Amino acid sequence: LAKTTQPISMDSYEGQEVNITCSHNNIATNDYITWYQQFPSQGPRFIIQGYKTKVTNEVASLFIPADRKSSTLSLPRVSLSDTAVYYCLVGDYKLSFGAGTTVTVRA
Amino acid sequence: EPEVTQTPSHQVTQMGQEVILRCVPISNHLYFYWYRQILGQKVEFLVSFYNNEISEKSEIFDDQFSVERPDGSNFTLKIRSTKLEDSAMYFCASSERQGDYNYGYTFGSGTRLTVV
Repeated sequence: LAKTTQPISMDSYEGQEVNITCSHNNIATNDYITWYQQFPSQGPRFIIQGYKTKVTNEVASLFIPADRKSSTLSLPRVSLSDTAVYYCLVGDYKLSFGAGTTVTVRA
Repeated sequence: EPEVTQTPSHQVTQMGQEVILRCVPISNHLYFYWYRQILGQKVEFLVSFYNNEISEKSEIFDDQFSVERPDGSNFTLKIRSTKLEDSAMYFCASSERQGDYNYGYTFGSGTRLTVV
């Protein structure tokens, strides 16, 4: 199972773009990369998923380089309500979520 | 937007008692999961369920745990004899597909279990 490494925390201000990079050096050929968001006392919420290059939805963009050994979640123009823990998962649903990145957005 | 519903939101139980946590997955989803999160710790996989049987389980999911889909809508997690260390948030999730890759799971809001 691919292990992921992401920063413990990041601070930002309202209106800025936040980019969170996740390293997954031993990603397998069939593995997809998925990002979740979690607010305190709530269940994780699916944000975006991708396999290669770039994926964009109404919430975020996901950039995956050709070697797929890392991925970057981009949150455009964050607001205070984007303060949460963001998890990068690679491959199998049996994975625990890891420590995630705590993103704090300030006014 | 479809939701996964979990009840109760909070349950307090005495050590040694049995508890049943309930979940209503999204109606067209076929794969169901339970996860738990001890306060301040990681979200951990417990079990997956498909076609009325357990498809995979983690080391955490020992003999005191069981899951059931008693009817067409509910999915339950039973803990037979609760221990203090079972205190955690328990999340139910469901997904439409499962394979070599995941399509993203929809999680419920969780049940906070407190064992005293």
